[in-house]
Amino acid sequence: QVQLQESGPGLVKPSDTLSLTCDVSGYSITIGNYWAWIRQAPGKGLEWIGSIYHSGTTYYNPSLKTRVTISVDTSKNRFSLHLSPATAADTAIYFCARTHDGSGYAFQHWGQGSLVAVSS
Amino acid sequence: EIVLTQSPAALSLSPGERATLSCRASHSVSSSIAWYQQRAGQAPRLLIFDASNRATGIPARFSGSGSGTDFTLTITSLETEDCGVYYCQHRYTSLTFGGGTKVEIK
Repeated sequence: QVQLQESGPGLVKPSDTLSLTCDVSGYSITIGNYWAWIRQAPGKGLEWIGSIYHSGTTYYNPSLKTRVTISVDTSKNRFSLHLSPATAADTAIYFCARTHDGSGYAFQHWGQGSLVAVSS
Repeated sequence: EIVLTQSPAALSLSPGERATLSCRASHSVSSSIAWYQQRAGQAPRLLIFDASNRATGIPARFSGSGSGTDFTLTITSLETEDCGVYYCQHRYTSLTFGGGTKVEIK
């Protein structure tokens, strides 16, 4: 079955780059679907950060677009998030996710989440 | 930007009761609404997509309806495992999520 696993530093300094990787197993990214990053600030709701298709086409939340880059490495079956510069407001649990077959927006498969704190 | 408003913010019901959750969009989103359940400390779980289609493995007691701007998630005969926060989400521009409805089982 499809499994996603986030990895990356749990602590990032303000103004640095927040970087996370999502390793995918049980399914090849090259088959299709959209691969996304979604975050949740402590005690808050969900915020879509952006999505990428296996071809490399990206879609970003307009509110984050100037600071976000999502990329895919099909040889390693993983995709990555880079957010720069990081601020305290970026402290959140970061989830990677995959859309439901045939859907470009409904996320069926999720990683367990990775807590990232932005603090000096 | 299309804003999703969920109501009520919270509800507390007994096992076996029916829960009705609302999601209202500021502009029409056709039928492009998904619903998720998030239990404490867990990732969200997709329940419904395209307003009324149950995702794989989701029990039949979960159903979705609506189109345009008004959508409903109904949970018939609540079970204790149904506690959590429920979010709706649309597919336009910023794939926005609603603010959530917290469901407590008495």
